Amino acid sequence: DIQMTQSPSSLSASVGDRVTITCRASQTINTYLNWYQQKPGKAPKVVIYGATSLQSGVPSRFSGSGSGTDFTLTISSLQPEDFATYYCQQSYSTSYTFGQGTNLEIK
Amino acid sequence: EVQLVESGGGLVQPGGSLRLSCAASGFTFSSYNMNWVRQAPGKGLEWVSSISGGSRTIKYADSVKGRFTISRDNAKNSLYLQMNSLRAEDTAVYYCARLGSSGYDNWFDPWGQGTLVTVSS
Repeated sequence: DIQMTQSPSSLSASVGDRVTITCRASQTINTYLNWYQQKPGKAPKVVIYGATSLQSGVPSRFSGSGSGTDFTLTISSLQPEDFATYYCQQSYSTSYTFGQGTNLEIK
Repeated sequence: EVQLVESGGGLVQPGGSLRLSCAASGFTFSSYNMNWVRQAPGKGLEWVSSISGGSRTIKYADSVKGRFTISRDNAKNSLYLQMNSLRAEDTAVYYCARLGSSGYDNWFDPWGQGTLVTVSS
């Protein structure tokens, strides 16, 4: 299976900060990489698909980049509603795998 | 509105069985690949199983292969997960999720609210 590794595992930031989360795949996955946001007690929601495409309804402060094995999720100016756990997920293989998550906390 | 609603979770003893259901509405159910994804308490997400629209293609994670069976009834707009020989490590919230697509890109959207399965004596 393709292993997905996120960094950092946790991150403290303030409203208005620019933050970047990294995801690395154990083999090339082209751009078959998605990012999800999950708030406590809720189901995950996709924010970025295909490495760079913004899901409908997601604010433009979210952006994704990367291809091959290295990817990033950037939030340009953190808002209070953005504090959550973020997961990357590869769809290159239909044995789908997720990163371990990045917990974004308020500083 | 596209909606997925899971049911069937609960407390079961190790070695026991449970059947989860997911009721879909708001879209043409038979046209979509459907999936189960689980999340152990305080842990990350783990894909469990997928089934194509016509049930021709089925896949399982190694951790559940031979114990879990995914199925669907397109006439009833429903997805199922039969879980046998349950273990403590199967304790998790189980989500059903539709596989969305655009070109060759695929992603899970939407997700249901989840149903909790607890395996304990």
